[in-house]
Amino acid sequence: GENVGLHLPTLSVQEGDNSIINCAYSNSASDYFIWYKQESGKGPQFIIDIRSNMDKRQGQRVTVLLNKTVKHLSLQIAATQPGDSAVYFCAEKRGTYKYIFGTGTRLKVLA
Amino acid sequence: SQTIHQWPATLVQPVGSPLSLECTVEGTSNPNLYWYRQAAGRGLQLLFYSVGIGQISSEVPQNLSASRPQDRQFILSSKKLLLSDSGFYLCAWSRDRASFYGYTFGSGTRLTVV
Repeated sequence: GENVGLHLPTLSVQEGDNSIINCAYSNSASDYFIWYKQESGKGPQFIIDIRSNMDKRQGQRVTVLLNKTVKHLSLQIAATQPGDSAVYFCAEKRGTYKYIFGTGTRLKVLA
Repeated sequence: SQTIHQWPATLVQPVGSPLSLECTVEGTSNPNLYWYRQAAGRGLQLLFYSVGIGQISSEVPQNLSASRPQDRQFILSSKKLLLSDSGFYLCAWSRDRASFYGYTFGSGTRLTVV
């Protein structure tokens, strides 16, 4: 299966600091990527997306960077808050109907 | 606006019992529908997806099956549950062709097989 069987890596960040969560994708032909946030016991929620014709996209406190050369995606969260604590997944559009999810990263915000 | 409903929220079932999880979408037509499973502390595994009524694609052969009896209804079933079927089950929908829209997920069903 895709990206299963691995325990989640954890990133611990001090409240107020910036967070950077990384993701590597596998298909150089993928043209669309999404970051999702999943809080405990809930379904993943859309945070921000980026198309392959862009290198950077900014939202409110979040920025996604795409490096197609090395097939790398990152999510930057500015001034991390306790409410940002969650598991973050990148998703890569694969074909017409499917998205393939990364293994996820658990973000812990320290007070 | 579109909404997705998934139930039940939690379920405890004995080994060998049947399973039926239901997912419905409102406010859209001809959505693509998906079932994912998430083991504790792990990533998302695509189980099934459907691009139309009666059309089911299976990603991982296992003890589960899916059906789409109506345009906006997606059901995940099992005739006999195994302990390994425990997990967090997520239904999701996307627009037809899923071009640049991604998924919208339901709130999930936590299944514990005992």
